[in-house]
Amino acid sequence: EIVLTQSPDFQSVTPKEKVTITCRASQNIGPGLHWYQQKPDQSPKLLIKSASQSFSGVPSRFSGSGSGTDFTLTIDGLEAEDAATYYCHQSSSLPQTFGQGTKVEIK
Amino acid sequence: QVPLQQWGAGLLKPSETLSLTCAVYGGSFSGHYWNWIRQPPGKGLEWIGEIDHGGSTNYNPSLKSRVTVSVDTSKNQFSLKLTSVTAADTAVYFCARGRKWVGGTRGHFDSWGQGTRVTVSS
Repeated sequence: EIVLTQSPDFQSVTPKEKVTITCRASQNIGPGLHWYQQKPDQSPKLLIKSASQSFSGVPSRFSGSGSGTDFTLTIDGLEAEDAATYYCHQSSSLPQTFGQGTKVEIK
Repeated sequence: QVPLQQWGAGLLKPSETLSLTCAVYGGSFSGHYWNWIRQPPGKGLEWIGEIDHGGSTNYNPSLKSRVTVSVDTSKNQFSLKLTSVTAADTAVYFCARGRKWVGGTRGHFDSWGQGTRVTVSS
């Protein structure tokens, strides 16, 4: 099973700041890494697919990069509505797995 | 994206069988993997298993002995059964559509159901 490790687990950020969340895979997963945003009592929402492709309708302040084992989600100019938990997910190998999540709080 | 609507019993006793169904409204039922994912209270996401329109399944080894995912293409629905539940199976269960690339390679989950909260308690 491929283990995804996110860092940090928690981040408290001022609006308009830049946020960087990393996801490290225990094996090479190529570009098969995706990012989701989940707010309390809601379903996860897809932000970034295949490491760096923005999903339809997602604000341009969200971007992704990386390949292989190291990936990054960047929020360039945090807004209050971005307070949420962010998860990475790998689909390259079964069983599919998720990172443990990174909670982003607005200061 | 397509709307997914899920339903099923929310309160179970230990040893009972969890049963959930997810309906897909719009879009093609073929060309995707149809997934179940769960989230225990205050914790992260766990992939349970998937099925394609032809009925081929894959399961998480941690649950494989207790899980069955089935599909009814005539109704554009797929279902989850989890037998012999315990308190450890208490979670919000989500259905989700997964992208299926040429050659069967898997991609992202682009549509999610609203979630069903399942509590196992005596």
